[in-house]
Amino acid sequence: NAGVTQTPKFQVLKTGQSMTLQCAQDMNHNSMYWYRQDPGMGLRLIYYSASEGTTDKGEVPNGYNVSRLNKREFSLRLESAAPSQTSVYFCASTSGRVLTGGNTIYFGEGSWLTVV
Amino acid sequence: KQEVTQIPAALSVPEGENLVLNCSFTDSAIYNLQWFRQDPGKGLTSLLLIQSSQREQTSGRLNASLDKSSGRSTLYIAASQPGDSATYLCAIPQGGSEKLVFGKGTKLTVNP
Repeated sequence: NAGVTQTPKFQVLKTGQSMTLQCAQDMNHNSMYWYRQDPGMGLRLIYYSASEGTTDKGEVPNGYNVSRLNKREFSLRLESAAPSQTSVYFCASTSGRVLTGGNTIYFGEGSWLTVV
Repeated sequence: KQEVTQIPAALSVPEGENLVLNCSFTDSAIYNLQWFRQDPGKGLTSLLLIQSSQREQTSGRLNASLDKSSGRSTLYIAASQPGDSATYLCAIPQGGSEKLVFGKGTKLTVNP
């Protein structure tokens, strides 16, 4: 039972390079999320997908794009990485909606990204 | 805009002590509140979810309470153990949206 799997776990990028963070869940969840966690700022929502084929912006979407490839997979792309995007990125999923609650939210183990 | 505050930022206690972690929020019109645990270098693990109609939830040695009128939630940990050492975060959906607003967490250290 893998839960939420993120790849890669660690990545160093040069400013201006692009990369994609991959996330997959095996729990048949409808909703998937990408968060970033920074010291002193806490966790902030980047993008979310309430169902296959839909995506919506969160609190800090600038500089990122997402794709809900299918029900299992939700990828986060940095088109032109900047030092300000150095962070720990977490993918999460749940079967229902965060707002209505009642369902456990599962987080991946995180992806540590450094942009130099 | 919902703001979530957790004080203290860090707490150190001896093993066996009962303790309370605090979470305050500014908008009392909440749908639910969740408590999470985060171990160093790991993701978040959901501990307890309280719906707005509930006053408390219990899971093993953990008990979470919710007082919407005062804008507070507490997480009570009974008979703390070194394995409870972690950062504990509370989170509330931003009004009418899918965005979870997280507190910055309380880092708990339980000393043997």
